Amino acid sequence: NAGVTQTPKFRVLKTGQSMTLLCAQDMNHEYMYWYRQDPGMGLRLIHYSVGEGTTAKGEVPDGYNVSRLKKQNFLLGLESAAPSQTSVYFCASSYRIRRKLASTDTQYFGPGTRLTVL
Amino acid sequence: GQNIDQPTEMTATEGAIVQINCTYQTSGFNGLFWYQQHAGEAPTFLSYNVLDGLEEKGRFSSFLSRSKGYSYLLLKELQMKDSASYLCAVHSNQGGKLIFGQGTELSVKP
Repeated sequence: NAGVTQTPKFRVLKTGQSMTLLCAQDMNHEYMYWYRQDPGMGLRLIHYSVGEGTTAKGEVPDGYNVSRLKKQNFLLGLESAAPSQTSVYFCASSYRIRRKLASTDTQYFGPGTRLTVL
Repeated sequence: GQNIDQPTEMTATEGAIVQINCTYQTSGFNGLFWYQQHAGEAPTFLSYNVLDGLEEKGRFSSFLSRSKGYSYLLLKELQMKDSASYLCAVHSNQGGKLIFGQGTELSVKP
């Protein structure tokens, strides 16, 4: 299994350009997530999906769009890139851990995409 | 509101024991996670607590007190490769999302 993969690994954009980041997972996970990580800010959730065909906003959704047309893929789009979107972007997917008294979801992360917007 | 606090940096000596604390205030709780992240790499899952008490996994242990909104990650027999950022994250039962702290940068010195 490849786990969670992301393409591209690096990208430099000019302000106003658009691009799509691709996340793929081969673990048959239902849930998928897009985060951005900035120095001193930790990981912040942009958008997430609880299943094929469904998406929802996270903590910092403005300026981004997402699509989940296939269960294994989650796309993050930047329609008009801005310097404030310079960041490291991580995709994650999760499955549910079931225990006797409680269950929760463990997220597994892709290797990240380093995006610079000039 | 939702808030997760952990120290920004810690330094420890190879072979020693270090405890990284995390306090949280969230609207809803469905478990607490610890992740390890080496520089330039993705976070990797270390541990998960949903009930009070200690979970042990090799050299790493994680403790949770839900009444106090407190957790810690205990690393024993520190190795140089343990130098990394350690992220505390709370699984909120509102939407099932993970809320991350800013991470604790641990430096292990010889």
